[in-house]
Parts: sequence; C-alpha cells; structure tokens
Amino acid sequence: DAKTTQPTSMDCAEGRAANLPCNHSTISGNEYVYWYRQIHSQGPQYIIHGLKNNETNEMASLIITEDRKSSTLILPHATLRDTAVYYCIVRVPPHLISSGSARQLTFGSGTQLTVLP
Amino acid sequence: KAGVTQTPRYLIKTRGQQVTLSCSPISGHRSVSWYQQTPGQGLQFLFEYFSETQRNKGNFPGRFSGRQFSNSRSEMNVSTLELGDSALYLCASSLGKGGLNTEAFFGQGTRLTVV
Repeated sequence: DAKTTQPTSMDCAEGRAANLPCNHSTISGNEYVYWYRQIHSQGPQYIIHGLKNNETNEMASLIITEDRKSSTLILPHATLRDTAVYYCIVRVPPHLISSGSARQLTFGSGTQLTVLP
Repeated sequence: KAGVTQTPRYLIKTRGQQVTLSCSPISGHRSVSWYQQTPGQGLQFLFEYFSETQRNKGNFPGRFSGRQFSNSRSEMNVSTLELGDSALYLCASSLGKGGLNTEAFFGQGTRLTVV
C-alpha cells in the first residue's frame, strides 16, 4: 500500500469547516483513498473513500486532486464531537483483491484534529 | 443492527499468564480482523479470519493466535503475556468477500493491561 503523509495536528473552530490534507504521491492506479477517524479510546470509524472523483456523504466530503497525489477531507461544520485522530489510508479496495492477498488496513500516525469551542 | 461486540472491555493480567479476547462481528459479516494499538506503535494488524480460516497474518510472534467459529465469532489468544502486550485490542468485521460494501467496522476494543 502507498505511504501517506499527514500533519501531526490541527485545530479548527467549532462551526467552521475542517480541512484535513493528505499526501500520497506514490499512489498507484488501482488504489483508493480511505479516511477513518478514531475518537479517544474508541475503535476507528470509517468516514469515506474515493478513487479519483470527489465524494460526499453525510459525514464529510473528499476532494482528490487530478493527479491523485493528494487529497483533502472536509468536515463542513465541525463540532466538538469531531475531535479525533483522522487517518488517511491508500489501498486497493477489498473487492478488487484476490483471495489470499493482504486485506488489512495499514494505519499511519494520522492527524489529531481538535475542535475548539 | 448491532455493531461489533468485543468482550471483555477491560482486562488486567499478570506477566506469564494467557488471555483470550472475544469478538462478535456484525450479523452477516464473515471476515474478522484483529489489530493491536499501543502509544508507541500505533494501530498494527494482527490477523484476519474468513470462513474459519486465517487469511492473513501480521508481524507478531507466535504467542498471538486466533480462531474463528462457524458463526463468524472470533477469539484471539495471547500466551505468556509480557508487559509490552498491554494495549487496546481492536476487532473489525466486514463482509469479507466481493461487493462494494466491504468496509471494516470496528468494535470498542478490549483494553488489556499486563502487570
């Protein structure tokens, strides 16, 4: 799986948009960008994923650059409950991996997002 | 529907003992993966089970083992516990095969403390 680079920490004011960047310059053609977050002492939570088009769901938006070497996760109206570590992961999605190959998630250090009141 | 259930939530063991942790995946999910999370090493993959078979294994010593039952429930076992095994152990379930909705859903974890 391609390596990702994320800032160690970021702050965001409550109610404002939180924009979390991720660099993945070595991403290969069949690798998707996934985002998970982990609120303190809980299990990681899936947020969103995408290949090359921008994606949006009820939690967040994912903007992937045209060359796919970087992406940004956007939380449009951050709340205090969005304070968490956010992980950007690039990998081949499970449904494209043949049986017997690695399917695990490889987590980096992530970005600690702190939403301030 | 119910999420991933891990038991127990907290556990304290003594060095040299062994421990068994349990994970019940989301109904219909056939793949169960285990991860270890420590402050120093972050989240690290232990192993994955699908249809009662270990499909993939991370870089952990043989003291760490697991199994999966016919109802997809999984257990992991750590023998001869060491202080460094103190960690949050997380279980993730997914459909495991085919389809687009194959994302992993994590449980709350078991916090193991070895003293």
